[in-house]
Amino acid sequence: DTAVSQTPKYLVTQMGNDKSIKCEQNLGHDTMYWYKQDSKKFLKIMFSYNNKELIINETVPNRFSPKSPDKAHLNLHINSLELGDSAVYFCASSQPLAGASFGPGTRLLVL
Amino acid sequence: AQKVTQAQTEISVVEKEDVTLDCVYETRDTTYYLFWYKQPPSGELVFLIRRNSFDEQNEISGRYSWNFQKSTSSFNFTITASQVVDSAVYFCALMRNSGGYQKVTFGTGTKLQVIP
Repeated sequence: DTAVSQTPKYLVTQMGNDKSIKCEQNLGHDTMYWYKQDSKKFLKIMFSYNNKELIINETVPNRFSPKSPDKAHLNLHINSLELGDSAVYFCASSQPLAGASFGPGTRLLVL
Repeated sequence: AQKVTQAQTEISVVEKEDVTLDCVYETRDTTYYLFWYKQPPSGELVFLIRRNSFDEQNEISGRYSWNFQKSTSSFNFTITASQVVDSAVYFCALMRNSGGYQKVTFGTGTKLQVIP
């Protein structure tokens, strides 16, 4: 069973479109995250949710809107996609005494 | 604020050589966790080890070993007798607990290339 799953794995789209990435974890973790990894491999936290509540919102354009319908899901919706949004987006979850478990990543390419 | 520094951007070694990846962190918390992750060319992030701030015991797992030195705020990772399959980007990370939630901060990663 996959602990943290993300869909889709690859996403190619045109500038200006709106797209969503879904994330689900079956580990029972309370905290979930979205990270962005750019072409230089830097991993930057975007959002963190704890029990469906937004805890951390780093400096991210408001075109990015996370939604957590329940503790096991944290989806990411992106409006009006721009070229600079091209990156790999990782979903993760964690618990206080455990490490963060990561999803396989979603490779987004904006044309 | 917390910060993780991996000063080595890229390292190349010849197969069977030993290599140490450096990680230095900054935090004001007394309780925190340190991690290493491996990101092979396939792209997934693979958890390698977790160490909490109260446990300075070094750890060895096969060819991997970790040296946690709280006095120097370092958590270095050594691969002994490196193999081509060790080629990857390695990330050091720091996690703090705050009000029941966690925040994980990553270093910028060290790209390791093992040459056959």
